[in-house]
Amino acid sequence: DIQMTQSPSSVSASVGDRVTITCRASQGIDKWLTWYQQKPGKAPNLLIYAASTLHSGVPSRFSGSGSGTYFTLTISSLQPEDFATYYCQQANIFPVTFGQGTRLEIK
Amino acid sequence: QLQLQESGPGLVKPSETLSLTCTVSGGSISSRDYYWAWIRQAPGGGLEWIGSIYYNENTYYNPSLRSRVTISVDRSKTQLSLRLSSVTAADSAVYYCARQVKSTTSSDYWGHGTLVTVSS
Repeated sequence: DIQMTQSPSSVSASVGDRVTITCRASQGIDKWLTWYQQKPGKAPNLLIYAASTLHSGVPSRFSGSGSGTYFTLTISSLQPEDFATYYCQQANIFPVTFGQGTRLEIK
Repeated sequence: QLQLQESGPGLVKPSETLSLTCTVSGGSISSRDYYWAWIRQAPGGGLEWIGSIYYNENTYYNPSLRSRVTISVDRSKTQLSLRLSSVTAADSAVYYCARQVKSTTSSDYWGHGTLVTVSS
């Protein structure tokens, strides 16, 4: 199985800050990396697929990059509604595997 | 608008079989463009993929659960089903069904999730 490792596991930031979360795959997955946002008590929401393609309706302050084994999710200017947990998921092959999550908290 | 709704018992006894249903409305479950998946999340934990089924009923399972999992579809009812046998407390989780886009294996629609607790 492909292991996905996110860092940091948690981060504190303020409204307006720029934040970057990283995700590393244990082997190359080309561009097949997905990012989700999850708020407490809710199902995850798709943010970005194929490493850098924004899902419909996702604000442009979110961006993704990377290929192979190293990927990033960047939020350019944090808004209050962005405080949540973020997960990466490799989408290259089954079994699908997720990172352990990054909790983004208000400073 | 596609909607997914999980249903099933909220409490299952250890060693018994967990059975959940996901009812899909507002769309077809027979499209070649999508898989249909079950994903779970233990309390306070991360996301764990359980398995997926394709329109031709090919199934793909998490190796760690393969011996205990069965995923099936009922096209006449537009329902997706999950059976997980020999459950233990470690299987207590919120269970989600989701639609996975085949080309990206990304889940673009999710149910709200249903909490299943394994306890005697």
